[in-house]
Amino acid sequence: DTAVSQTPKYLVTQMGNDKSIKCEQNLGHDTMYWYKQDSKKFLKIMFSYNNKELIINETVPNRFSPKSPDKAHLNLHINSLELGDSAVYFCASSQAPGYYGYTFGSGTRLTVV
Amino acid sequence: AQSVTQLDSQVPVFEEAPVELRCNYSSSVSVYLFWYVQYPNQGLQLLLKYLSGSTLVKGINGFEAEFNKSQTSFHLRKPSVHISDTAEYFCAGQTGANNLFFGTGTRLTVIP
Repeated sequence: DTAVSQTPKYLVTQMGNDKSIKCEQNLGHDTMYWYKQDSKKFLKIMFSYNNKELIINETVPNRFSPKSPDKAHLNLHINSLELGDSAVYFCASSQAPGYYGYTFGSGTRLTVV
Repeated sequence: AQSVTQLDSQVPVFEEAPVELRCNYSSSVSVYLFWYVQYPNQGLQLLLKYLSGSTLVKGINGFEAEFNKSQTSFHLRKPSVHISDTAEYFCAGQTGANNLFFGTGTRLTVIP
C-alpha cells in the first residue's frame, strides 16, 4: 500500500501545453508539499498545504497552481509549460507543519520538449 | 538563514570499504537533521534522523550518523558498503515549523 503516490511517473509534453500532476497520501497526514528537483539534483520546496490551506508559496512562477481538494490530495497544475520546467517533481506529506519526517512520493519526471 | 552543505558531490568507494559522507549545517536555532537516500529513478527514502538526545543515530541499511554541535556537522557513515548502496544521498535540515531544506546531494558509487 503506497503511502504517498504520484501520477503520472513520467510526463513528456510540448512547450506551451498545460499539464497536471496528482498526489495522494493515505497516511492521515495534515500537511502536504511539492518539491522540485532540478537537473543537478537540487531539491527545493515549491508549496506547502496544511489541511487544504496554502501555508508556503516559495518564489514559483504563477503558471504553477497547486490545488488541494481535501487534505489527502495535493495536485499541481502547470500552465504554458516552458523548457525550464523540465525536472522531477516530488510530493511529500507530514503529520503537521514543521513536524519532522516527511514521507516522499516516488516523483514525476516532467520533460518539456 | 538555515542551510546544510554537503562537501562532496561524488564519492567513489570500493565494495566492502568504509565510507563517510559529509554534511555541515548552519542554523541560529535548534535544528533537526536527516539523511535521505535516492536510488536511481526512485523517490526519497529516510535513512535516519537526529532530533535530540544521543548524538549517534543509527538508521536503516547499516548506516549511522553523528551529530556534532561544536563542528556543526552530521556526517553519515557505513563501515562496509555494498554495490546496492550506490545512490544519491541528501542531507536535510528542519527548524521549528519551517519546511525541510536540502543539501545539494552526494553521489555514492560503490565499485566492485
